[in-house]
Amino acid sequence: SQTIHQWPATLVQPVGSPLSLECTVEGTSNPNLYWYRQAAGRGLQLLFYSVGIGQISSEVPQNLSASRPQDRQFILSSKKLLLSDSGFYLCAWSESPWQSYLNTEAFFGQGTRLTVV
Amino acid sequence: AQSVSQHNHHVILSEAASLELGCNYSYGGTVNLFWYVQYPGQHLQLLLKYFSGDPLVKGIKGFEAEFIKSKFSFNLRKPSVQWSDTAEYFCAVILFSGGYNKLIFGAGTRLAVHP
Repeated sequence: SQTIHQWPATLVQPVGSPLSLECTVEGTSNPNLYWYRQAAGRGLQLLFYSVGIGQISSEVPQNLSASRPQDRQFILSSKKLLLSDSGFYLCAWSESPWQSYLNTEAFFGQGTRLTVV
Repeated sequence: AQSVSQHNHHVILSEAASLELGCNYSYGGTVNLFWYVQYPGQHLQLLLKYFSGDPLVKGIKGFEAEFIKSKFSFNLRKPSVQWSDTAEYFCAVILFSGGYNKLIFGAGTRLAVHP
């Protein structure tokens, strides 16, 4: 069965420090991978999605970047955190259309609560 | 641009009242549709999903949703809410385009049910 791991669960970082959040998926291959941010009162905002190794699409301009060095690994990074980067970050995966035949849903990690101080 | 709109940001109801939360999406291609619920302090939980077939979908906890393709809508309903339904509700859509799919969420609706 497929599982998704996301860590760390909580993180407190000073302004200006770097960030690296990691997400890995097991039990599937070539998944679509997503990073979302949930800020208070703003719902779940799609930050990045990836359809394959090295293929990253950015949905919103921001202080963050994403990378996919391996098929089932998705990393969210920042060189210098801002106070406004605080929030709840959620990784998710779904099957690619070639696997799901247009019937697919997303599966979520447990999330990372990031507080920038 | 592709988007998902939830019409109500905050809804307040009394117990036993009926609930309908609106959701519209802007995309002309194939979609899969979802409603998620997030109870206070908890993670997202899938309420129901629509892939194809009968446009009226029944989910957990007495919720149902109707897909109206001509209106690009997927409204969530429950005939009689309970205090335990107090939560935030998210409509989500997986869009299929070429060789990829993309999952986007609405901004959410906070539901408060008063005893």
